[in-house]
Amino acid sequence: GAGVSQTPSNKVTEKGKYVELRCDPISGHTALYWYRQSLGQGPEFLIYFQGTGAADDSGLPNDRFFAVRPEGSVSTLKIQRTERGDSAVYLCASSTSGRSTGELFFGEGSRLTVL
Amino acid sequence: DAKTTQPTSMDCAEGRAANLPCNHSTISGNEYVYWYRQIHSQGPQYIIHGLKNNETNEMASLIITEDRKSSTLILPHATLRDTAVYYCIVRAGGNQGGKLIFGQGTELSVKP
Repeated sequence: GAGVSQTPSNKVTEKGKYVELRCDPISGHTALYWYRQSLGQGPEFLIYFQGTGAADDSGLPNDRFFAVRPEGSVSTLKIQRTERGDSAVYLCASSTSGRSTGELFFGEGSRLTVL
Repeated sequence: DAKTTQPTSMDCAEGRAANLPCNHSTISGNEYVYWYRQIHSQGPQYIIHGLKNNETNEMASLIITEDRKSSTLILPHATLRDTAVYYCIVRAGGNQGGKLIFGQGTELSVKP
């Protein structure tokens, strides 16, 4: 289908390693969002892109987390020096715009496990 | 922080209407009420949204009180596939739209 695609679907890594998670938004969607979800919790906002620029990165927990969207389409969430507490499902969503009436379409998520 | 309060869990009999309440007493005049749901192991799915008036689509109805301090999501004929966590979210209007802030949601269990 033409939904939001996230890769990998599962990633197991060791503490201290570097991880990249990729998001392919729906074609033509200018807004892109990253969330992370721990077991039993609602999704937690990380960062929001409008085009190539980060419009709101207030949810990034610390400087180990970084996200890019260089061409305004695909985005990569990068996590340095992973910690066990980073284990979660990382969700990506896109919408036609950042306006309040823009429905967000979510991907299935990337499950990250840090051993 | 989420600006809404929802019950942690609810049960509903298959075929009956499921009425999910949400309190948003601090909602501002330009903020919308959104509902999303998340079926186990999937990403959240948009259901419906509204500002002041009641809204209906093919999935559900949204009833917003006149003072806009609370709302109810209605699934008219719940099926087993409606078992999910339902999130009520308040979102800024206009170009301030952007992010959705999720709370804990209501875990709805539809039982045969």
